[in-house]
Amino acid sequence: TQLLEQSPQFLSIQEGENLTVYCNSSSVFSSLQWYRQEPGEGPVLLVTVVTGGEVKKLKRLTFQFGDARKDSSLHITAAQTGDTGLYLCAGAGFQKLVFGTGTRLLVSP
Amino acid sequence: KAGVTQTPRYLIKTRGQQVTLSCSPISGHRSVSWYQQTPGQGLQFLFEYFSETQRNKGNFPGRFSGRQFSNSRSEMNVSTLELGDSALYLCASSLVQSYDTEAFFGQGTRLTVV
Repeated sequence: TQLLEQSPQFLSIQEGENLTVYCNSSSVFSSLQWYRQEPGEGPVLLVTVVTGGEVKKLKRLTFQFGDARKDSSLHITAAQTGDTGLYLCAGAGFQKLVFGTGTRLLVSP
Repeated sequence: KAGVTQTPRYLIKTRGQQVTLSCSPISGHRSVSWYQQTPGQGLQFLFEYFSETQRNKGNFPGRFSGRQFSNSRSEMNVSTLELGDSALYLCASSLVQSYDTEAFFGQGTRLTVV
């Protein structure tokens, strides 16, 4: 069974702080996606990383794919209240997307 | 362009009943995937349909079934509902197979089984 473990599960921080979310697995994935889900909505794709060691930046968000394509991280610089939500990583493999356990982020003013 | 539309948004059913959920993908998308989201288990893959054929299935009992029509619209059915089936059911559409390309999710159908 493919499992993607995310840590931490919950994160409550103040606006302006930095944070990192981790997504780890023992399986190799052909690509890894990061989504953000807000209450009452479906997940929205933030980024896809494909190459081992790849780093992608999306404004204040930095995504990295591990060299072995088994893990990934999401770093947010100077968090804002609008970053609040559930962050999900999803690995592509075996003809389906396997979603991580999720990290719920709360950014307070 | 219009996004993924799921109907209904909310449902309350009684144990033992059956339910049908509907998903209209983005125009031109041929793949529809279904997921179950619960606080305890997270997002779990149910099945994927592409051009009216089921291409992949997750580890769910046979009470969960689905189909896709020629216009790519999809339905999923859950028979003999159990309390544990209470969840947010999400569908996602993509141009081709969902696992290697961007998947666009609907807002979901929140099913409560009482």
